Amino acid sequence: EIVMTQSPATLSVSPGETATLSCRASQSGSSNLAWYQQKPGQAPRVLIYGASTRATGIPARFSGSGSGTEFTLTISSLQSEDFAVYYCQQYNNWPLTFGPGTKVDIK
Amino acid sequence: EVQLVESGGGLVQPGGSLRLSCAASGFTFSTSDMTWVRQAPGKGLEWVSGISASGRSTYYADSVKGRFTISRDNSKNTLYVRMNSLTAEDTAVFYCARAMGGWLFDYWGQGTLVTVSS
Repeated sequence: EIVMTQSPATLSVSPGETATLSCRASQSGSSNLAWYQQKPGQAPRVLIYGASTRATGIPARFSGSGSGTEFTLTISSLQSEDFAVYYCQQYNNWPLTFGPGTKVDIK
Repeated sequence: EVQLVESGGGLVQPGGSLRLSCAASGFTFSTSDMTWVRQAPGKGLEWVSGISASGRSTYYADSVKGRFTISRDNSKNTLYVRMNSLTAEDTAVFYCARAMGGWLFDYWGQGTLVTVSS
């Protein structure tokens, strides 16, 4: 099983600043890595897939990078609606696995 | 508009069983791989099970293998999961989701809560 880890667990950021979230896989997942955003009481929403491709309707301030075992989600110029929990997920191997999440809150 | 609507959640005693359903609309269900993902209260996302579009291939997390059975009825546009031998650790909101070109998920239901308690 590929174990996904995310850091930091919590990131405090001021609106307008940039947030950088990290995701690491215990073994190479190629570029089969997705990022999701989840707000309280809501289902997750896919932001990025293939490590760097924005999903339909996702603003350009969200960008993904990385391959193999190290991945990054960057949120530029944070808006109020971006404060949420972010999860990475590898879909290269069974079982599919999610990271534990990074909570982005208001500084 | 794509819609996924889960049902069947509720309170069940330890050792009991439950079947969840997910009614799909707004897309071609019969050509879409589907999955169940759960989230324990206050915790992160945990992938549970997946099924190919035809239903011929199924996949399970180790934590549910042998206890949960995923299935689908493409004539009814409905996804199911049968859950047996439930324990308190299975208490969670269960989401169904559609896979998009690979096992990542673009549409999710609103979730149904399963509570395992005596």
